[in-house]
Amino acid sequence: DIQMTQSPSTLSASVGDRVTITCRASQSVSISLAWYQQKPGKAPKLLIYMASTLQSGVPSRFSGSGSGTEFTLTISSLQPDDFAAYYCQHYISYPYAFGQGTKLEIK
Amino acid sequence: EVQLVESGGGLVQPGGSLRLSCAASGLSFSRSWLHWVRQAPGKGLVWVSRIGPDGSATTYADSVKGRFTISRDNAKNTLNLQMNSLRVEDTAVYYCTTLQAGGIWGQGTLVTVSS
Repeated sequence: DIQMTQSPSTLSASVGDRVTITCRASQSVSISLAWYQQKPGKAPKLLIYMASTLQSGVPSRFSGSGSGTEFTLTISSLQPDDFAAYYCQHYISYPYAFGQGTKLEIK
Repeated sequence: EVQLVESGGGLVQPGGSLRLSCAASGLSFSRSWLHWVRQAPGKGLVWVSRIGPDGSATTYADSVKGRFTISRDNAKNTLNLQMNSLRVEDTAVYYCTTLQAGGIWGQGTLVTVSS
């Protein structure tokens, strides 16, 4: 099974900051990688799929990159609405797996 | 409006059974791959199971294999998850979702396994 590891687990930042979250796979997942945002008590929201394709309606300050085993989610200029948990997920083969999550907190 | 709405959660004793349902509207249900994902209180997301468009392709996480059964009724636009031999560690919010294929998620239904 492919394991996904995110870093950092917690990230403190301020409005306007540029932040990057890293996701590593235990073996290659090509570009079969998605990113989700989740706010407390809510269902996750798809941000990016195919490693770098922005889901319709997602602000352009979100971007994804990477392939193989290393991926990044970047938020170019943090907005108040962006403070949430973020998860990566591979879908190259079953069982699919999520990273353990990154909690983005207000500094 | 595209929507998934889960139901059927609740409190059950260890060893008991529960059947979750997910009603779909506004999407091409009979062409959609569908998944169940769960989230234990305060924890991360865990993929549980998937089913193909015609119901013939099903896959399960090792943690639920042999205890959970995923199924669908395309005539009723409904996805189901039959959960048997429930354990305390199955306590979670259960979401039905299309995952990366459209990013559609339900609001979740809470399953609590406790004596």
